Amino acid sequence: EVQLLESGGGLVQPGGSLRLSCAASGFTFSDYAMSWVRQAPGKGLEWVSVISGSGGNTYFAESVKGRFTVSRDNSRNALYLQMNSLRGEDTAVYYCAREVGEFDFWGQGTLVTVSS
Amino acid sequence: AIRMTQSPSSLSASTGDRVTITCRASQDISRYLAWYQQKPGKVPNLLIFSASTLQSGVPSRFSGSGSGTDFTLTISRLQSEDLATYYCQQYSNYPRTFGQGTKVEI
Repeated sequence: EVQLLESGGGLVQPGGSLRLSCAASGFTFSDYAMSWVRQAPGKGLEWVSVISGSGGNTYFAESVKGRFTVSRDNSRNALYLQMNSLRGEDTAVYYCAREVGEFDFWGQGTLVTVSS
Repeated sequence: AIRMTQSPSSLSASTGDRVTITCRASQDISRYLAWYQQKPGKVPNLLIFSASTLQSGVPSRFSGSGSGTDFTLTISRLQSEDLATYYCQQYSNYPRTFGQGTKVEI
């Protein structure tokens, strides 16, 4: 059974940093690209970033480019999102999702709140 | 970035009704389109990929069609458990983009 479990969310001040983690199980992690998708309170879904199975290729949404980095540790079946220079508009539930083009499995999400 | 536009933004229907949601892409995405259902307070769930392929376990009352720029999601006989917001998403290229969502009320 595929499982994705995010952690690391919380309250952070504007300009601060936070690192999200996603623990994966139930599939061969290194075979799949992984994405981060976020959802601001009461709003729609916004794709944030993707990393290839090997970790060699990454892409970012324009809204986070230069502030967020994505990485993975295939030996630990773990995905990470390092978020720097956080802004109020980054407040959202952050989901990790397995990407096969479409997103076929999603984690439960972790809430990030950027506020003073 | 490819813009995805859904219509309507919301709709109200009765159980047993046929419901159709449309999604338009700002450029040709072939059939690289997925549909998701998000029930209130829950995680998005993949319904359809490749425009018309039903994900395993999804009820057959859901169907998708279209190619190029125009796509539809149809619920043939609406059930009470279909209360949700539905999103389309293109995966023709990066950045991946979603439609704004269609809220289905019953």
